[in-house]
Amino acid sequence: GAVVSQHPSWVICKSGTSVKIECRSLDFQATTMFWYRQFPKQSLMLMATSNEGSKATYEQGVEKDKFLINHASLTLSTLTVTSAHPEDSSFYICSARDHGKNIQYFGAGTRLSVL
Amino acid sequence: KQEVTQIPAALSVPEGENLVLNCSFTDSAIYNLQWFRQDPGKGLTSLLLIQSSQREQTSGRLNASLDKSSGRSTLYIAASQPGDSATYLCAGGYAGGTSYGKLTFGQGTILTVHP
Repeated sequence: GAVVSQHPSWVICKSGTSVKIECRSLDFQATTMFWYRQFPKQSLMLMATSNEGSKATYEQGVEKDKFLINHASLTLSTLTVTSAHPEDSSFYICSARDHGKNIQYFGAGTRLSVL
Repeated sequence: KQEVTQIPAALSVPEGENLVLNCSFTDSAIYNLQWFRQDPGKGLTSLLLIQSSQREQTSGRLNASLDKSSGRSTLYIAASQPGDSATYLCAGGYAGGTSYGKLTFGQGTILTVHP
């Protein structure tokens, strides 16, 4: 099946620093990718929809200046958590949509811990 | 607003038992319904995908059904094994307007199968 690679799988950073997370579709082109956030023992909450070549669409309550999304190619989207704070600590998961099959494939997730 | 609800929140069964997980959704305009498995601290593994035109899908010991008219889906696991212990998430895929391509997740059911 299709593979989505997410990197890094785990990152620890100091408060105030920025962290970049990459999401790559390895064997298909994804004009649309999605970024989710998951708090412990909770479900996935959609943060934003990443569109190749255009601005991301953010869900209500998600700060676009805090969570910068870039989708510069058909196989790569990045999420940058700017000026991270402890409350940003969470599990971030991306998915890539294969339009031909109308299916989303998920990355393995990135665990962010902000000290 | 599209909402997905899963019951029960947690389920503990002895090995070998057949079980059913339930998922309900408020917006019947879904174009597909997916069931995922998530192990602690890990990403999502897609189990079954049911298109809106389908009634059920089967994979090994798993069977998922979809009833759009009642807004329900079930995941049936036959002859449960300890290795089936995980959190099971259902997600409705929606089309149209700003919802296009988005998945709305339920809260998940934590399944424990004990030997």
